[in-house]
Amino acid sequence: EAQVTQNPRYLITVTGKKLTVTCSQNMNHEYMSWYRQDPGLGLRQIYYSMNVEVTDKGDVPEGYKVSRKEKRNFPLILESPSPNQTSLYFCASRPGNTGELFFGEGSRLTVL
Amino acid sequence: QQQVKQSPQSLIVQKGGIPIINCAYENTAFDYFPWYQQFPGKGPALLIAIRPDVSEKKEGRFTISFNKSAKQFSLHIMDSQPGDSATYFCAAGVLGMDSNYQLIWGAGTKLIIKP
Repeated sequence: EAQVTQNPRYLITVTGKKLTVTCSQNMNHEYMSWYRQDPGLGLRQIYYSMNVEVTDKGDVPEGYKVSRKEKRNFPLILESPSPNQTSLYFCASRPGNTGELFFGEGSRLTVL
Repeated sequence: QQQVKQSPQSLIVQKGGIPIINCAYENTAFDYFPWYQQFPGKGPALLIAIRPDVSEKKEGRFTISFNKSAKQFSLHIMDSQPGDSATYFCAAGVLGMDSNYQLIWGAGTKLIIKP
């Protein structure tokens, strides 16, 4: 089954404790992206990657890091999480340079 | 100029009614206008999309109306059902300076269809 898989789905952590949210897709898509969803603010792009070893900042990259060492994986790293990073995070991928995105089921992160 | 303004923020409609969600944009370079549907606990999924060379597109009970001169587009759901209750996002697509195709998102509309 074609899918984007994120882990963990739910996480409660404390300020400053490094964490990684993994994302994997099995559709051989070159493009992958991370979004955060907050009430009233919609989907805001954090980082995106157009191919292996190529990453670029989105609209809200501060406090986040990403890496793209393999085509299928695109982990999101919070080196020192803060409460304002409490949010619902989505990983997405797409075939080619189009507007059709395939999203994972989301990771709800709470930073205390 | 890169904004997409979506309204209303929330909407409650009786079963069988026709909810309408509106989006407006400024950038005339946008060339793709999708609607994504998100159920609770799930990621958004592409529902229907339109390009600016047509004024309307229907897929089942879902219709996009597109007004190029007004720079507005809207989603209509005919014969709405409780199962249509979800958050709906509009977006507009454009090729960016780095050759990446960007989607600019509306803020979302939480739709509730009452039985």
